[in-house]
Amino acid sequence: DTGVSQNPRHKITKRGQNVTFRCDPISEHNRLYWYRQTLGQGPEFLTYFQNEAQLEKSRLLSDRFSAERPKGSFSTLEIQRTEQGDSAMYLCASSHGLTNTGELFFGEGSRLTVL
Amino acid sequence: AQSVTQLDSHVSVSEGTPVLLRCNYSSSYSPSLFWYVQHPNKGLQLLLKYTSAATLVKGINGFEAEFKKSETSFHLTKPSAHMSDAAEYFCVVTLGSYNTDKLIFGTGTRLQVFP
Repeated sequence: DTGVSQNPRHKITKRGQNVTFRCDPISEHNRLYWYRQTLGQGPEFLTYFQNEAQLEKSRLLSDRFSAERPKGSFSTLEIQRTEQGDSAMYLCASSHGLTNTGELFFGEGSRLTVL
Repeated sequence: AQSVTQLDSHVSVSEGTPVLLRCNYSSSYSPSLFWYVQHPNKGLQLLLKYTSAATLVKGINGFEAEFKKSETSFHLTKPSAHMSDAAEYFCVVTLGSYNTDKLIFGTGTRLQVFP
């Protein structure tokens, strides 16, 4: 499968614990995006990378959230000191920024449940 | 600011009957508009996109949408529903024709198809 891959698919954690999600984009894509989707809502933009540079962060991304893409390939999203309000589906997407087709390729998401 | 409003949270149709999913947009610029579909346990997939070329846009699986600037609408239609069309559909706007950095999603419309 050469699509966007996210791990883990599901994570249940206790409030206050740290969690990390990984995203492996389509290999030739240089742009990588993180979105968050809560129940009954559409996905909301969190942040995006072009190669290894993080170009924009949403105000939704509090200080407890950090995203990295160290070598311009896979990315990690870490949430420290989780809160119940962090429970959501975290979506990763990638695109070939140079072609600008307007199409993002999404992974199946990582669902976080904070107890 | 850019935004989209999906007028129906749920739409139910019988197999073989037409589908209409409504979307209105608000944009300070000439918008790029998309429809994405999300099947259960699958990643979001692009159905079709409008980027200031033809106002009637054809997408995958027999779906099409018409951009109407006077009505600020981008409704999604299909002449004959199939059981496999049952999914969540999102109307999406971006900042411009070539700015794919941030997708702004509507709240989604869940389509049910009855036999």
